Amino acid sequence: DAKTTQPNSMESNEEEPVHLPCNHSTISGTDYIHWYRQLPSQGPEYVIHGLTSNVNNRMASLAIAEDRKSSTLILHRATLRDAAVYYCILRDPGTYKYIFGTGTRLKVLA
Amino acid sequence: GAVVSQHPSWVICKSGTSVKIECRSLDFQATTMFWYRQFPKQSLMLMATSNEGSKATYEQGVEKDKFLINHASLTLSTLTVTSAHPEDSSFYICSAGRQGYEQYFGPGTRLTVT
Repeated sequence: DAKTTQPNSMESNEEEPVHLPCNHSTISGTDYIHWYRQLPSQGPEYVIHGLTSNVNNRMASLAIAEDRKSSTLILHRATLRDAAVYYCILRDPGTYKYIFGTGTRLKVLA
Repeated sequence: GAVVSQHPSWVICKSGTSVKIECRSLDFQATTMFWYRQFPKQSLMLMATSNEGSKATYEQGVEKDKFLINHASLTLSTLTVTSAHPEDSSFYICSAGRQGYEQYFGPGTRLTVT
């Protein structure tokens, strides 16, 4: 199973953009990159996913490096409600399994 | 859309008893459901993959006789923790997905074994 590496924690000021990096150097050509976030005592919430091209949705943007060995989740204007643990996950194309890494704990400062 | 529920949301049981946790996909049919366990301050650990109508596939190190999984329909999977012990106390989370689509997670079940 391909693995991901993320910083343990990051801080951001409210109303400012946040760039959350993820390295996945062993990614295969068919692995999708998924991002989820988890608030305390809740299940993970889907944020965004992509394969090769950059993706945008109402929650965030996903920038994928050309060699696909890294990606960045972009929150355009952080709010206090965005404080969570963010997980970057590679989905196995055959089994659809997710293998969670340690995630990045995002702290948003008012 | 894509709502997954779990029941109960929390449960306390005595050591040696069994506990059943239900996972339901409310507005879609899930060909595959997954069960995870999460200890405090740690990440989610995949326990098993459950496909409707077939036996679950367990991850290495997960005791299949202790964690019984049944996926009787396209909207319901159950996890039974048999002969629970205090070390089984954890946050259990299920997810449901359709082939080619992302997984949707339930809200989790907090199990405390006394």
